[in-house]
Amino acid sequence: GAGVSQSPSNKVTEKGKDVELRCDPISGHTALYWYRQSLGQGLEFLIYFQGNSAPDKSGLPSDRFSAERTGGSVSTLTIQRTQQEDSAVYLCASSLQQGTRYEQYFGPGTRLTVT
Amino acid sequence: KQEVTQIPAALSVPEGENLVLNCSFTDSAIYNLQWFRQDPGKGLTSLLLIQSSQREQTSGRLNASLDKSSGRSTLYIAASQPGDSATYLCAVRPVLSGAQKLVFGQGTRLTINP
Repeated sequence: GAGVSQSPSNKVTEKGKDVELRCDPISGHTALYWYRQSLGQGLEFLIYFQGNSAPDKSGLPSDRFSAERTGGSVSTLTIQRTQQEDSAVYLCASSLQQGTRYEQYFGPGTRLTVT
Repeated sequence: KQEVTQIPAALSVPEGENLVLNCSFTDSAIYNLQWFRQDPGKGLTSLLLIQSSQREQTSGRLNASLDKSSGRSTLYIAASQPGDSATYLCAVRPVLSGAQKLVFGQGTRLTINP
């Protein structure tokens, strides 16, 4: 079946602009995650959605970052007033809750470059 | 705070060799550990997931072990091939209230030389 998809694959934006990154999880997966991968920082957790529960936003680095998940499926990560340090690959993952398993499947990522 | 370390950071071996990648974590309170591979410019591909109650998992030429009490996992690759060249990441899911995130190591960049 189809895996996790993300769009766009690449995004170049000017400092100070807002950007939106999109994630389509695997159909039927109830959990959705956003991570950021930057040079020297490795992979960092940003936010987690599970069903209709309040999201876990504990990894968001500043209030310029926000995310929503509509209809329990598609998610959008928004970065306002982008800064150069926001340049990174943003990865989305989804999982199906099976007891404590929560095996995560990742999309190809969106490479964001802030100039 | 859970920290995950992978050693070595990079490894280069000739084709056909068996090899071991290492992962250690500081807090043994985990639900599971997952091994991924990442090809340049690509996302992560899940290789193996070991639940905290398990000792090992196998998939083809890959075998992952978990020693939760000592905070260690190894990924064994048998009869390596050039197509195995990639960055290998391990990640743990900590047992924290409401936390479902993965905590990742920095990865081991593996090169298999023909």
